[in-house]
Amino acid sequence: DAGVTQSPTHLIKTRGQQVTLRCSPKSGHDTVSWYQQALGQGPQFIFQYYEEEERQRGNFPDRFSGHQFPNYSSELNVNALLLGDSALYLCASSLYTFTGELFFGEGSRLTVL
Amino acid sequence: AQSVAQPEDQVNVAEGNPLTVKCTYSVSGNPYLFWYVQYPNRGLQFLLKYITGDNLVKGSYGFEAEFNKSQTSFHLKKPSALVSDSALYFCAVRVPSGSGGSNYKLTFGKGTLLTVNP
Repeated sequence: DAGVTQSPTHLIKTRGQQVTLRCSPKSGHDTVSWYQQALGQGPQFIFQYYEEEERQRGNFPDRFSGHQFPNYSSELNVNALLLGDSALYLCASSLYTFTGELFFGEGSRLTVL
Repeated sequence: AQSVAQPEDQVNVAEGNPLTVKCTYSVSGNPYLFWYVQYPNRGLQFLLKYITGDNLVKGSYGFEAEFNKSQTSFHLKKPSALVSDSALYFCAVRVPSGSGGSNYKLTFGKGTLLTVNP
């Protein structure tokens, strides 16, 4: 049973560029959440997708956007990259009706130069 | 606002000794609390959770946590530490969606770096 998979694992961009990160949830899960983990910090909630709609959003600017596809996979897009966007981006999957734990992927490490 | 605090940035213990990683919470209503572990350059791995029931929760890899409502704490413990337990530990609280429903997000503490010395 595949867990949560994310791609790419590492990437380097320059300021002003755009980036797309991808996530496939654990088999049987229908909800995908994205978190940003800056160096030395705990993960911060970006947004959550269910039924191809954004259901919740954290305190992140509109430069951060996402999408969920019919197969439950998801993308995180960040436009006009800033140096401060350098972080580990974590995808987590769950069942919408389940109140237990989230399952996390290994993350995509973004470096903005 | 729902939040958790991890008062120690680092904890050092000797192998074979008991370990405790501290977490306090601030929530309205009944707390749903979680512990996750993160190894270098890896994602988060679930250790254990408290939803309701017994105050002592047992989880993966021999870890357990004690929920204390009067002290608003949820400390992570292990009777005998291993060098392989060295990692970054995060406490988290479930925050319900403001729009209702059963979806939620996790709010994490800043993390505690545990080092177990041989």
